[in-house]
Amino acid sequence: QVQLQQSGPGLVKPSQTLSLTCAISGDSVSSNSAAWNWIRQSPSRGLEWLGRTYYRSKWYNDYAVSVKSRITINPDTSKNQFSLQLNSVTPEDTAVYYCASSSSSTADAFDIWGQGTMVTVSS
Amino acid sequence: QSVLTQPPSASGTPGQRVTISCSGSSSNIGSNYVYWYQQLPGTAPKLLIYRNNQRPSGVPDRFSGSKSGTSASLAISGLRSEDEADYYCAAWDDSLSGYWVFGGGTKLTVL
Repeated sequence: QVQLQQSGPGLVKPSQTLSLTCAISGDSVSSNSAAWNWIRQSPSRGLEWLGRTYYRSKWYNDYAVSVKSRITINPDTSKNQFSLQLNSVTPEDTAVYYCASSSSSTADAFDIWGQGTMVTVSS
Repeated sequence: QSVLTQPPSASGTPGQRVTISCSGSSSNIGSNYVYWYQQLPGTAPKLLIYRNNQRPSGVPDRFSGSKSGTSASLAISGLRSEDEADYYCAAWDDSLSGYWVFGGGTKLTVL
């Protein structure tokens, strides 16, 4: 069964870059029927989808408009993982960050989630 | 403010049936599937309902979903103490360049 394991720092300074990684087991980041998402949750913003990467004969990325100018999600086929980079962070970016898979078998629902990483933006 | 609107709280006693509503618009619920997630304290959300009313394997049939127009509902019958959690609805929104939207969540208390 698919499992997602997140890693990355829990503290980032303002104006710097937030970087997280999500390692996949039980599936391939290059799967033609899955997408790999980043979602965050904070008391002020609730659950917020940030973006996704997926492979359908070539790689695609979709990003939420709210973070589009600052976000990059990259697949790493050699390590079977995907990453999130969020630039120029502010305290507003403080949240629990989740990676999640979505698959065509559940009509693109977020069916598997990582354990979550609490990221605090503070000097 | 979340794009999808849910009541902040709901409650019921063991054995009762409870429903949680989720209201959206033509660009999200009105034209796409609705999904429901359950989040227990300190854990990641868990998929409860997909494609409006389908349950993933392992989700009890006490949980059911429905959709009508731009609104959806999650019903929980035979309420149990372990159902006490936060519940979120979600849908794809076709506006802008397309993105996933969530409700603000409903805290269910089992009295």
